[in-house]
Amino acid sequence: DVKVTQSSRYLVKRTGEKVFLECVQDMDHENMFWYRQDPGLGLRLIYFSYDVKMKEKGDIPEGYSVSREKKERFSLILESASTNQTSMYLCASSYRVDTEAFFGQGTRLTVV
Amino acid sequence: GESVGLHLPTLSVQEGDNSIINCAYSNSASDYFIWYKQESGKGPQFIIDIRSNMDKRQGQRVTVLLNKTVKHLSLQIAATQPGDSAVYFCAEKGWRNYKLTFGKGTLLTVNP
Repeated sequence: DVKVTQSSRYLVKRTGEKVFLECVQDMDHENMFWYRQDPGLGLRLIYFSYDVKMKEKGDIPEGYSVSREKKERFSLILESASTNQTSMYLCASSYRVDTEAFFGQGTRLTVV
Repeated sequence: GESVGLHLPTLSVQEGDNSIINCAYSNSASDYFIWYKQESGKGPQFIIDIRSNMDKRQGQRVTVLLNKTVKHLSLQIAATQPGDSAVYFCAEKGWRNYKLTFGKGTLLTVNP
């Protein structure tokens, strides 16, 4: 089975902190994604990566950056956390562009 | 379906009944569609997918129907069980497009 592992289930950070969310997949997938999920807004794509060191902005990249130094690992970085970044963050990976994405369990981030 | 504010569309069924969850999509260029199930506190879980060259696909207790003419997707769950209670999302993607666009979700509640 594909496994997508997010490093934390719950995080509480202070406003202005730099926050790292880590995601690892074990199936040698080319593509990796970061989404945030908010009530009433569904899942929105922040960034995605289709290869090592390659990244593309999604719908809501502002305030975020990403890093993909190794194929299996995709990190989401909040440069200076703000309260409006309190959300559920979901990492996903897919084998090809035309195959399903597999999701991690999510990280619930609270910024205070 | 569309959500209003923070409220998801809801579907309540009796255990053993069949469930039908609907989804309207907007992009006529979309060629790949997925249904996900999300239980409380977990990441979305892949259920079934369908490509635009098909109008029906069946899995174990689930069937997805695609009507490209009216841009409508449905998920049918046979003999619904309490474990089927969750939020169900449809997602669509265009050809060679990495980005999955998610619907807002439908909350399915199965009454024993």
